[in-house]
Amino acid sequence: GAGVSQSPSNKVTEKGKDVELRCDPISGHTALYWYRQSLGQGLEFLIYFQGNSAPDKSGLPSDRFSAERTGGSVSTLTIQRTQQEDSAVYLCASSSVDSNQPQHFGDGTRLSIL
Amino acid sequence: QKEVEQNSGPLSVPEGAIASLNCTYSDRGSQSFFWYRQYSGKSPELIMFIYSNGDKEDGRFTAQLNKASQYVSLLIRDSQPSDSATYLCAVRAAGNKLTFGGGTRVLVKP
Repeated sequence: GAGVSQSPSNKVTEKGKDVELRCDPISGHTALYWYRQSLGQGLEFLIYFQGNSAPDKSGLPSDRFSAERTGGSVSTLTIQRTQQEDSAVYLCASSSVDSNQPQHFGDGTRLSIL
Repeated sequence: QKEVEQNSGPLSVPEGAIASLNCTYSDRGSQSFFWYRQYSGKSPELIMFIYSNGDKEDGRFTAQLNKASQYVSLLIRDSQPSDSATYLCAVRAAGNKLTFGGGTRVLVKP
C-alpha cells in the first residue's frame, strides 16, 4: 500500500495477556519506529530499526516490551503480561534512509487493557 | 528540563487570523525539525520540515528556525476552523530518533 499500515486498529485484552501489534512500513523505507501515545499526551519513543543495524531499544519502558523486524520490512511489537498502564495508542512510522527525511505515521493501534 | 518544549495551549485564534506556535529544544546539535498536525483520535500528519536557519513557506504555513536561540516556530496564516488540532514539534539530533514536544492545541473560532 501507499502508506504505513498497522493492525489491528483496536485491541482490547485482559490484564496479564500478551499482545502483538503489527506494522507494515511504506515500501522502500528502511527506517521503522514505534511510539506510544497515552491519552492527551505527546509521543513517547519506544524503538527504532534501521536496515540491518542493531535496533535502538532505548525507549522500551520495561523488559515486557520487545520488537522484531523481519526481512527489513514488517515489524511486530510484543507486550507480555500486559498491565493497565500499557493502555495507549501505539504508533508506527517509517522513513527513507536519508536521516533528514520525515517520518510518516500509520493510523495506530488503540490498545485497551481491562 | 524537557528536551522539546511546547506550550500546551489551547491557543485560541479567530478565523482568518494568524496562529503562532513556538517550540524550544535543548540539544544544540539538533539537525532537523518537523511540525506535525494531529486531529483528535487520528495519527500525526506531517505539515512541514526545516533544516536551515530562516523561514520556509508552504501555502498558509511558515516554519521559522533559529538555531542560535534553539527555537522553531510555525505560523498559520488565514486560520480556518479545520486548522483546529494539536500541533506537534519534533526534533532530530544525531541519529534518526525524533523527540517530540507535548503538542500545542489550537482552536480556531468562526
